[in-house]
Amino acid sequence: KAGVTQTPRYLIKTRGQQVTLSCSPISGHRSVSWYQQTPGQGLQFLFEYFSETQRNKGNFPGRFSGRQFSNSRSEMNVSTLELGDSALYLCASSLGSSNTEAFFGQGTRLTVV
Amino acid sequence: GQSLEQPSEVTAVEGAIVQINCTYQTSGFYGLSWYQQHDGGAPTFLSYNALDGLEETGRFSSFLSRSDSYGYLLLQELQMKDSASYFCAFNDYKLSFGAGTTVTVRA
Repeated sequence: KAGVTQTPRYLIKTRGQQVTLSCSPISGHRSVSWYQQTPGQGLQFLFEYFSETQRNKGNFPGRFSGRQFSNSRSEMNVSTLELGDSALYLCASSLGSSNTEAFFGQGTRLTVV
Repeated sequence: GQSLEQPSEVTAVEGAIVQINCTYQTSGFYGLSWYQQHDGGAPTFLSYNALDGLEETGRFSSFLSRSDSYGYLLLQELQMKDSASYFCAFNDYKLSFGAGTTVTVRA
């Protein structure tokens, strides 16, 4: 079966711009979570969606938002980009909410200049 | 709050056994997971312990002791392809990751 697909793989944006990242989960998976990975902070949870509802949110500013569509595909948006937003953004899908086994996409490498 | 501690680096030779310890503090969680991430790659699931004890999956085994707030990942018969970062993570409504252990396998 197809894995988790994230697009685009690489992105360069300028400070102040906004960006939208996309994630297509594994077919049948209704939970989609987003993580930010940086050398300094490691892997940090952004938010989780289940059946189009945001159920949980991490400690990130309101500039970070997301949504999930009826087909479980998810998007995350970052507005007013800052240099510190440069990171690998990873999407993970799973069957349920306890994340017993999460399947990660290859990520989107965002560089803010 | 929650915290997970694991060693930052481990180096071993091919064929050896490596144990990556993970000590944690938390008020509650469903279980402890382990993920592997190669440079530039996605984290991939290795093992999950919901209950105390040992879980074995091929060359990899994971152990959890809730009473000791401690877990470990055991990598046996190390191969060059095992050179990667390994993360322990709490499972509750999200995955909360440790900082990761970089394992370097030498010939």
